[in-house]
Amino acid sequence: GPKVLQIPSHQIIDMGQMVTLNCDPVSNHLYFYWYKQILGQQMEFLVNFYNGKVMEKSKLFKDQFSVERPDGSYFTLKIQPTALEDSAVYFCASSPTGGSQNTLYFGAGTRLSVL
Amino acid sequence: QQQVRQSSQSLTVWEGETAILNCSYENSAFDYFPWYQQFPGEGPALLIAIRSVSDKKEDGRFTIFFNKREKNLSLHIKDSQPGDSATYFCAASWNYNQGKLIFGQGTKLSIKP
Repeated sequence: GPKVLQIPSHQIIDMGQMVTLNCDPVSNHLYFYWYKQILGQQMEFLVNFYNGKVMEKSKLFKDQFSVERPDGSYFTLKIQPTALEDSAVYFCASSPTGGSQNTLYFGAGTRLSVL
Repeated sequence: QQQVRQSSQSLTVWEGETAILNCSYENSAFDYFPWYQQFPGEGPALLIAIRSVSDKKEDGRFTIFFNKREKNLSLHIKDSQPGDSATYFCAASWNYNQGKLIFGQGTKLSIKP
């Protein structure tokens, strides 16, 4: 089936540094998402993105977070500066359409460890 | 606040038995309930989904039973196989939410041969 690729699979970074998580969504998809999963907890919605804009973001999407997809390349999540509580697995997803019943295609996640 | 709750963190059944995974929710506005299946090292993948206007959805060996009044649903896996061993996430969403899913914590299912 369609694949979403996330690079890298694991990133270790010192607190206060900047990190960029990369996502290569399914090629003809128009909607993009980031979810965050802290160890042992459920996946939580961070943000969705369409047509170059953030459509909705949750309270977990702090001011230090930003997303972009310049010129149809990677969909990225940037955290600047990082904090210890940002340690989690970040899942990227994409879907062909918006709406409540669309199928989200998830990547395998990037495990971010902030030291 | 845990809006979607899965009753078991883990479940083990014998090959050939029916595995039953339970899920409950709090928000009456939820109207779409997908189940995602995740194998180690992979992302979650949509397995089967149901809308709140239905009380049952079947796809091969997988069936969702939905009880709107009680705000719960269950995923039944008939004739379970070792290849069904995975983590299963119950999720919920509602109209006009642009694909935002509320996930449960997941149930890790192990099928013993």
